[in-house]
Amino acid sequence: DQQVKQNSPSLSVQEGRISILNCDYTNSMFDYFLWYKKYPAEGPTFLISISSIKDKNEDGRFTVFLNKSAKHLSLHIVPSQPGDSAVYFCAAWEKSSGDKLTFGTGTRLAVRP
Amino acid sequence: KAGVTQTPRYLIKTRGQQVTLSCSPISGHRSVSWYQQTPGQGLQFLFEYFSETQRNKGNFPGRFSGRQFSNSRSEMNVSTLELGDSALYLCASSPTGVGVLNEKLFFGSGTQLSVL
Repeated sequence: DQQVKQNSPSLSVQEGRISILNCDYTNSMFDYFLWYKKYPAEGPTFLISISSIKDKNEDGRFTVFLNKSAKHLSLHIVPSQPGDSAVYFCAAWEKSSGDKLTFGTGTRLAVRP
Repeated sequence: KAGVTQTPRYLIKTRGQQVTLSCSPISGHRSVSWYQQTPGQGLQFLFEYFSETQRNKGNFPGRFSGRQFSNSRSEMNVSTLELGDSALYLCASSPTGVGVLNEKLFFGSGTQLSVL
């Protein structure tokens, strides 16, 4: 049972344009949502997070939006840069699950120069 | 500060064998988690250790086990390997665990296990 879903396995965007990565979830008890970025041959690195009581969090070029009623979150990257090309994982945390993060299957972003 | 170190980087085993993977967390981090990454499933939580105790466990069979030492280093063991165990195994550390709000996980580069 995939509680966190990233339905787009890949996305290609022109440099300078906006990249929008989407994530849907089914568990309304999630308290926190996170995005991780992964380059080949490296481990995932934390990018940005949002609490379930917020609807937006911004950090430089990265903004995460949360729509609780739709159980949907998205990561916006503006402007996109070639160095942003990586696999992006959406993850969620529920307080009652202790130290477990539930990850999506990832979206591979390619930013074309 | 050195990052999370996982050894070995690559492993090739045959079905039925067992394997042990090692993880050294960031200095001062006491929580170590293990995740399995496969192409179709993303990252799936295996287990988490804190101060040598397993605090949380994912939905994996008993063939998957782990332990943590007093210096916070952790090992993961898979016995009676199956073809489906081929995956990237990632270790992550944090000071006290994700259960503390705003605490991030720091991942190692992983061990790529191939079971033939």
